[in-house]
Amino acid sequence: GESVGLHLPTLSVQEGDNSIINCAYSNSASDYFIWYKQESGKGPQFIIDIRSNMDKRQGQRVTVLLNKTVKHLSLQIAATQPGDSAVYFCAVSPGGYNKLIFGAGTRLAVHP
Amino acid sequence: NAGVTQTPKFRVLKTGQSMTLLCAQDMNHEYMYWYRQDPGMGLRLIHYSVGEGTTAKGEVPDGYNVSRLKKQNFLLGLESAAPSQTSVYFCASSLNSESYEQYFGPGTRLTVT
Repeated sequence: GESVGLHLPTLSVQEGDNSIINCAYSNSASDYFIWYKQESGKGPQFIIDIRSNMDKRQGQRVTVLLNKTVKHLSLQIAATQPGDSAVYFCAVSPGGYNKLIFGAGTRLAVHP
Repeated sequence: NAGVTQTPKFRVLKTGQSMTLLCAQDMNHEYMYWYRQDPGMGLRLIHYSVGEGTTAKGEVPDGYNVSRLKKQNFLLGLESAAPSQTSVYFCASSLNSESYEQYFGPGTRLTVT
């Protein structure tokens, strides 16, 4: 099966700094990767995704990097803002009915 | 579009009681999912459905049943609630087999005493 782990349960950054949140997965056959943001009391919200045929994908202030050799995924947030404070989850699809396996989440705290 | 909605938002049950959680989506999505989220853990898949009239087991299905009688609705049932089922439950939907992005509802916080 697939397992997904995050390297740090919490991350504290200063406002304006760049944030990097990491994720590791176990199944080399996984073909889809996605990052979600979850604010307190709300459901997860889509941030960005990437398929296994890509190494990098950029969105607005966010970049996802995929290293299939070491089975590692990262989310970079540029110029982190207080509104970015939340729990960030990576999820991986090992294939089949679009099921996602979620990591435990990293709590990002942004300090002024 | 309301997206994915869940009712109720909060519920307290006594051990052994039963209840049904309702999920509704207005995006004409084929796939629907039920997850539970426990403190310090990611979301774990309970059951899912790939279309009206179909359901399948996920990672943690024991103690739960589901039904998808209408495409827009996905019901999660607890026949005999246990304290171990205290959790936050999220419903999600995705468009079809070509689309992996799942859209989540706001969650239901369930406490079993």
